[in-house]
Amino acid sequence: GAGVSQSPSNKVTEKGKDVELRCDPISGHTALYWYRQSLGQGLEFLIYFQGNSAPDKSGLPSDRFSAERTGGSVSTLTIQRTQQEDSAVYLCASSLAGQGQGYTFGSGTRLTVV
Amino acid sequence: GEDVEQSLFLSVREGDSSVINCTYTDSSSTYLYWYKQEPGAGLQLLTYIFSNMDMKQDQRLTVLLNKKDKHLSLRIADTQTGDSAIYFCADYDQGGKLIFGQGTELSVKP
Repeated sequence: GAGVSQSPSNKVTEKGKDVELRCDPISGHTALYWYRQSLGQGLEFLIYFQGNSAPDKSGLPSDRFSAERTGGSVSTLTIQRTQQEDSAVYLCASSLAGQGQGYTFGSGTRLTVV
Repeated sequence: GEDVEQSLFLSVREGDSSVINCTYTDSSSTYLYWYKQEPGAGLQLLTYIFSNMDMKQDQRLTVLLNKKDKHLSLRIADTQTGDSAIYFCADYDQGGKLIFGQGTELSVKP
């Protein structure tokens, strides 16, 4: 597609429920990233997929968070048993392999846990 | 790991120059980046600089890089109200992913 697409754009969920956030990267981009932006905070790295390599999961805050990328394209970030501190904007980005390309970001999913 | 630091707020008058500063701890990467985030939107790549350059100019934007001091700055000339946004600097870590600063919120007053 023309850009990185994320869905839903907004999600309100009850504490304890599971949520799935979707990211559709730019076609042909081999790298895909998830970041979290909390109110007043910078961008916190969560997870990074690069081609067929094992993902870099070093930023996932707890084992309630997981992500997968199917067929080297669409990615789903899953948060189990959501907590209020999970409320944030979840941003996805994609890029061509290697440095110098920069990232193209989606508009994000605003998650609110009530 | 890599750490990128920015001041959180900057307020300027319309027509003045804005200078947003950034420091980073480790740079074996080839490029450093500035991103802009307008209210309610994702991040947009604004400009970048190759690490063997000291300066890059792009219309109203000037990026300065001091590799010795690990300091990066973004200067916006003739700042307009439409420049009000959050500006993030970013650098690659050893794992090949971008690490972002906390973002500087630029407020432009008429």
